[in-house]
Amino acid sequence: DAGVIQSPRHEVTEMGQEVTLRCKPISGHNSLFWYRQTMMRGLELLIYFNNNVPIDDSGMPEDRFSAKMPNASFSTLKIQPSEPRDSAVYFCASSASGTGDEQYFGPGTRLTVT
Amino acid sequence: DAKTTQPNSMESNEEEPVHLPCNHSTISGTDYIHWYRQLPSQGPEYVIHGLTSNVNNRMASLAIAEDRKSSTLILHRATLRDAAVYYCILRNFGNEKLTFGTGTRLTIIP
Repeated sequence: DAGVIQSPRHEVTEMGQEVTLRCKPISGHNSLFWYRQTMMRGLELLIYFNNNVPIDDSGMPEDRFSAKMPNASFSTLKIQPSEPRDSAVYFCASSASGTGDEQYFGPGTRLTVT
Repeated sequence: DAKTTQPNSMESNEEEPVHLPCNHSTISGTDYIHWYRQLPSQGPEYVIHGLTSNVNNRMASLAIAEDRKSSTLILHRATLRDAAVYYCILRNFGNEKLTFGTGTRLTIIP
């Protein structure tokens, strides 16, 4: 299995631009998680889906952030408009069931907003 | 979520065992103890988890105190590749969320 796939691996954009991060979970996994990691705040859960349905988005910082999971094999995290404070590494993770199985993390997308 | 407390950093010599402690005095009866680690420039990876009994897998062992208020992750023979940040996380049964703390940064000395 290729593991969790994220694209792009690196993204540099200017303030005010729209940014879309993509994630392909491990085939057969039915839970998907988006995390953000910064030096100041550490690793934070933004949102997670179960069977393509958003279950908890309490970690989404503000309305500029949105996430979708149109099908079991694809999810996006969009930031519009982006700001310099959004600069971070964004990780996607997936797990096999809804009962707390281990999460498998992707390699992350390093976002820099100038 | 119940809170965990870990040392900020630890050092160990290569090829020696490493004991990484974690305190979780407010753990509830349905909280599982999970350990993840994050190697440099990578996403976190699962290491091990347990509820009450000690657990072993190919990566590590997890020793859980009888009162469950503390646990220890044991790496039996550290290699340079084990240098990482190790996170001890409590996760309630049925709750999928992981709440990461600051973890312990483990340095392996050649």
